[in-house]
Amino acid sequence: EVQLVESGGGLVKPGGSLRLSCAASGISLSDAWMSWVRQAQGRGLEWVGRIRGKTDGGTTDYAAPVNGRFTISRDDSKDTVYLQMNSLKTEDTGVYYCSWELRSALDVWGQGTMVTVSS
Amino acid sequence: DIQMTQSPSSLSASVGDRVTITCRASQSISSSLNWYQQKPGKAPKLLIYAASTLQSGVPSRFSGSGSGTDFTLTISSLQPEDFATYYCQQSYSTLTWTFGQGTKVEIK
Repeated sequence: EVQLVESGGGLVKPGGSLRLSCAASGISLSDAWMSWVRQAQGRGLEWVGRIRGKTDGGTTDYAAPVNGRFTISRDDSKDTVYLQMNSLKTEDTGVYYCSWELRSALDVWGQGTMVTVSS
Repeated sequence: DIQMTQSPSSLSASVGDRVTITCRASQSISSSLNWYQQKPGKAPKLLIYAASTLQSGVPSRFSGSGSGTDFTLTISSLQPEDFATYYCQQSYSTLTWTFGQGTKVEIK
């Protein structure tokens, strides 16, 4: 069974940085396509970005609101994906989920980690 | 970006009712449409992918249809555990994915 566990959320001031982690079990992340999705309190889901598997180049894509501020990376030795968030804004506040992409869908999700950007 | 619009935003229904949720894309997305269910405080769960393929383990009362710009999620007989928020999501764009705004299914 594939399981994803996010960590690293917390309270950060506007302009600050935070790194989220997503640890996987049950799959080898090196060839997995992984996405991050966020959700503001009481709001809908927003796709944040993805990293492709190693055999597909390991390249990344980002949604416009986070492009240039967020970076997704991966440590295959730890089966962990990261979301580095810089220049954080209050509107980045929300629950952040990592998800395994399979068959062009978000097949397995973690439980989420809360990020609060506030002064 | 491809915009996804769901309707209605919310609905009230009774156990046993047939429920239909619609999702419309701002351009043709072929069959690259997925549906998710989310319950309060929980992560979303994939129900249907590629517009009409039921995810393993999902009850057969859920079904999806459509292609191009118009899609439908149908629950044939609403059960108590189905009260939740449902989201559509396009995977046609290879660079960025987008979700609909969600449809909350509440108890009448």
